[in-house]
Amino acid sequence: KQEVTQIPAALSVPEGENLVLNCSFTDSAIYNLQWFRQDPGKGLTSLLLIQSSQREQTSGRLNASLDKSSGRSTLYIAASQPGDSATYLCAVIPYNNNDMRFGAGTRLTVKP
Amino acid sequence: GAGVSQTPSNKVTEKGKYVELRCDPISGHTALYWYRQSLGQGPEFLIYFQGTGAADDSGLPNDRFFAVRPEGSVSTLKIQRTERGDSAVYLCASSSNRAGNTGELFFGEGSRLTVL
Repeated sequence: KQEVTQIPAALSVPEGENLVLNCSFTDSAIYNLQWFRQDPGKGLTSLLLIQSSQREQTSGRLNASLDKSSGRSTLYIAASQPGDSATYLCAVIPYNNNDMRFGAGTRLTVKP
Repeated sequence: GAGVSQTPSNKVTEKGKYVELRCDPISGHTALYWYRQSLGQGPEFLIYFQGTGAADDSGLPNDRFFAVRPEGSVSTLKIQRTERGDSAVYLCASSSNRAGNTGELFFGEGSRLTVL
């Protein structure tokens, strides 16, 4: 059974810092990996999707990398802003089914 | 619609009652997923539909939970004899995947269920 772990569980940084969020998964046979953002009391907003054949994806100040063989993905946020404060979730979908597995998330606070 | 729509946004019910939660996916999306999220946790998979059929219902916790998607669009998650432990946010997502290849998932805002 696929297990997804996110470290750290919570992170607080001053505005302007670059930061890295980590995601690890136990089964490397994944079809894709997706990073989401969740604001309190809201649904999930898709940030980046990385297919298994890709190494990274970029969108604005966000860069996500994928190393399937080691079971790791990182989300890099450049020049953090208070508006980036949210919970960030990573999720993987295995090849053989559509059961997307989520980590518990990293709760990010960016202080002005 | 422009996005995934879920109703109601909030539902408070008493233990033992029956509850229905509705999901209206993005127009044209053939895949629909239900997830449950407890406080401080990531979403937990419940069931996946491809078209009208439940392709994978392995995440449903017990037989009190049931979901339908009769016309391949709107889906209803049904919970019988609700228990306090059913309290959570129920999230719906849709995807334009076809032939079993999963694409990007788009989530609704969720339905917060509170069982008193």
